Amino acid sequence: QKEVEQDPGPLSVPEGAIVSLNCTYSNSAFQYFMWYRQYSRKGPELLMYTYSSGNKEDGRFTAQVDKSSKYISLFIRDSQPSDSATYLCAMIKGTGAGGTSYGKLTFGQGTILTVHP
Amino acid sequence: DSGVTQTPKHLITATGQRVTLRCSPRSGDLSVYWYQQSLDQGLQFLIQYYNGEERAKGNILERFSAQQFPDLHSELNLSSLELGDSALYFCASSTPNGAAEQYFGPGTRLTVT
Repeated sequence: QKEVEQDPGPLSVPEGAIVSLNCTYSNSAFQYFMWYRQYSRKGPELLMYTYSSGNKEDGRFTAQVDKSSKYISLFIRDSQPSDSATYLCAMIKGTGAGGTSYGKLTFGQGTILTVHP
Repeated sequence: DSGVTQTPKHLITATGQRVTLRCSPRSGDLSVYWYQQSLDQGLQFLIQYYNGEERAKGNILERFSAQQFPDLHSELNLSSLELGDSALYFCASSTPNGAAEQYFGPGTRLTVT
C-alpha cells in the first residue's frame, strides 16, 4: 500500500465549476501538506502548503487538512481553462531544528484536470 | 519561474553510458533535492544535500550519485544507464528551515536508447 493515495482521474469539468481534489495518507508522521500544479513537461509549481488541520485560502484555492481522518483536499473555485494541469499532493514527515532540515517529499500519483470552456 | 535552473533540458544517450545533470538552486537556498519522475512510479525522492553535506537519501540506485559544491550548485551523476532510467529528473531547493516549501526547476528529460 502506498503511503499517499490520490485518484489519478482524469477529471473534466466545465469552466466556472468548483473542483475538488483529494488525497489520503496512512502515516500519521506526516506534518506538512502541499499541493503542486504541474503543466505538461514542466516542473511542479508549489501552490499551497499547510501544517495544521483546518482550511487555508489563497485566492481561488482552498486547502483543507483533516489529520484525524488522514485526508487532505484542494478546492478550486471558478475554475479556468488555464487551471488544466496535473495536481499533485505532497507530504513531509518533518523538518529539523537549529537551522537544518531534512525534507523528503512523498507525492501522490497526481490528478489530471481538464477545464473546458 | 521558480529561480531553480537545470541543465541540460534534454539528454539522449545509450545504455551503459554515464551522464551528469546539473542544478543551481534559488539564490540563498542551502538545500538541494533531486527527484525522479516516471510514468509508472510518479515523483520519487532521490537525495537531499544541505550546504554541501548529504542530508537525506531515498531509493537512489547505487549507480546514481550526487554532490553539492561550495557554490551550492549540485550535480546528479547517473552511470551504467539502463532503459528504465529514462525519466524526468527534477531538482528542487529550499531555505534551511523551509523543507516544506520546495521550489522545483524545469527538469532534465533523460532518454536512454
